[in-house]
Amino acid sequence: GQNIDQPTEMTATEGAIVQINCTYQTSGFNGLFWYQQHAGEAPTFLSYNVLDGLEEKGRFSSFLSRSKGYSYLLLKELQMKDSASYLCALEDSWGKLQFGAGTQVVVTP
Amino acid sequence: KAGVTQTPRYLIKTRGQQVTLSCSPISGHRSVSWYQQTPGQGLQFLFEYFSETQRNKGNFPGRFSGRQFSNSRSEMNVSTLELGDSALYLCASSSSGLAGTTDTQYFGPGTRLTVL
Repeated sequence: GQNIDQPTEMTATEGAIVQINCTYQTSGFNGLFWYQQHAGEAPTFLSYNVLDGLEEKGRFSSFLSRSKGYSYLLLKELQMKDSASYLCALEDSWGKLQFGAGTQVVVTP
Repeated sequence: KAGVTQTPRYLIKTRGQQVTLSCSPISGHRSVSWYQQTPGQGLQFLFEYFSETQRNKGNFPGRFSGRQFSNSRSEMNVSTLELGDSALYLCASSSSGLAGTTDTQYFGPGTRLTVL
């Protein structure tokens, strides 16, 4: 299996930085994806990692360590609109995504 | 480029009925995947179609089926609806869907199905 674990909820202040961790147990996968989902809306693609290391995209960065079975999504300069669920997903060799349960991020003023 | 579209956006059915949901992928995308999202189980993979063939299937009963047309549009069907089928059904498209390659999936807005 590919048990994917994420914290259920995180709270942070506007302007701060939040790091959402994702750990998994799997024998192999193509890539690790991060999606953002606002309540009642579809998931939107944020970032993905194939190789170990850090991928930066504006205020969002994602990191992967395959040897440690670990990834994180870093959200910088938090804005109120960043309040959403953040989903970690592993892609298998056929393109199937297996999602974690998601981390609800609450940004407070 | 237009995004992934799904119709209808909302649907109310009663137990025992069947339902068909439609998904139009991003132009040029040939792979369409379907997911079910519920508060209890999260996002779960249903199946994936590529070039009109089901290439991958999740752990759902046979009441859940799908197909893909030559223009890459896809439909999924749920027969003999149960209360537990109430969920947000999302489809996602990707460009090549080649095995062994990483391809970003883009999601449609979903169809909210309520079974009474």
